[in-house]
Amino acid sequence: GENVEQHPSTLSVQEGDSAVIKCTYSDSASNYFPWYKQELGKRPQLIIDIRSNVGEKKDQRIAVTLNKTAKHFSLHITETQPEDSAVYFCAAPRAGSYQLTFGKGTKLSVIP
Amino acid sequence: GAGVSQSPSNKVTEKGKDVELRCDPISGHTALYWYRQSLGQGLEFLIYFQGNSAPDKSGLPSDRFSAERTGGSVSTLTIQRTQQEDSAVYLCASSFEGGDTGELFFGEGSRLTVL
Repeated sequence: GENVEQHPSTLSVQEGDSAVIKCTYSDSASNYFPWYKQELGKRPQLIIDIRSNVGEKKDQRIAVTLNKTAKHFSLHITETQPEDSAVYFCAAPRAGSYQLTFGKGTKLSVIP
Repeated sequence: GAGVSQSPSNKVTEKGKDVELRCDPISGHTALYWYRQSLGQGLEFLIYFQGNSAPDKSGLPSDRFSAERTGGSVSTLTIQRTQQEDSAVYLCASSFEGGDTGELFFGEGSRLTVL
């Protein structure tokens, strides 16, 4: 099955700085890579995803990059704000399936 | 309903008792997942249902845990002879896996406390 590694497990940044979270996956046939955000006490929600036919996707202050050769993808958050503080999870599907495997999560703290 | 609904939202039980947790997925969603999340921890996969296929039970931590999905819709997660280490939030998620996206929609979770 798919194996997803996520780093770092915790990340603290000053407000206004950028944050980068990285994930690697094992199945070279995986083709869909979502990121979920879980605020304290709330449910995880999809914030951005990328498919294997593109290398980068942006949505305002967040972006995701994908390197299929190296089998890793990253979440980039620019101009961080306190409301970006949350746990972020990456995920990847098993080949030939939609079934997602999640990384262990990154707790991002944005310091005002 | 508009989203994934889970019940009960909170359950306190005594060690050794059985509990049932219910999940109502979004109508039309073919896939359903159960995850367990201990305080401050990640999403521990438990079980995955997809349509009429045999479920992937590889994440169930012991034979005290079981789940079923009736009629391709509602799912029940059963924990028998609960232990204190079963205390956690149990999250259900559903998705429609027929289109371009397999976005998961999570419920609010059922918080289980075993005394």
